[in-house]
Amino acid sequence: AQTVTQSQPEMSVQEAETVTLSCTYDTSESDYYLFWYKQPPSRQMILVIRQEAYKQQNATENRFSVNFQKAAKSFSLKISDSQLGDAAMYFCAYRDWAGNMLTFGGGTRLMVKP
Amino acid sequence: KAGVTQTPRYLIKTRGQQVTLSCSPISGHRSVSWYQQTPGQGLQFLFEYFSETQRNKGNFPGRFSGRQFSNSRSEMNVSTLELGDSALYLCASSSQGVGSYNEQFFGPGTRLTVL
Repeated sequence: AQTVTQSQPEMSVQEAETVTLSCTYDTSESDYYLFWYKQPPSRQMILVIRQEAYKQQNATENRFSVNFQKAAKSFSLKISDSQLGDAAMYFCAYRDWAGNMLTFGGGTRLMVKP
Repeated sequence: KAGVTQTPRYLIKTRGQQVTLSCSPISGHRSVSWYQQTPGQGLQFLFEYFSETQRNKGNFPGRFSGRQFSNSRSEMNVSTLELGDSALYLCASSSQGVGSYNEQFFGPGTRLTVL
């Protein structure tokens, strides 16, 4: 069974600074997807960024980028120019290539200080 | 397009009762997945329905069940409620079946409190 681990329960960052959230996973599959989801206090889960395992290039979405290390099974999220609205729970998630079931990590609470 | 809607948003029940939660996916989406979110266990997959058929099931007891209707709306039912069933129940919808990427969109959740 696949597992996803987020070792940082809480992180804080100063507004406008950069922060990196860590995620490791375990799978025997070679093709899969990895995601970062954001869950603000309003609770609506929002997709931040996704990475296909077959792609070597790291995904980027505006201020959000990932560092995908397939051999190390590591998938970190970098948030540049942090904004107050980035404060939320961030979940790393894994999905097999075929299927819709998401396996989530335990989450990292990100606080942004003005 | 309207997003994923879940009703009710909040629910209070007592132990031993049963409860039904509803999820309406985005128009045109045929897959609906359910997740349970608790502080202790985190986010856990319950089951997925696609075209009225349960396609995948997580590791939950038989008290948790679901179904999907022809209009893709889905319901989940929990019978004989226990205190540990208190959680945020999230549903997510996506457009296609397996084998291709399709983003899952989450609803706002139903907060269930069991007293």
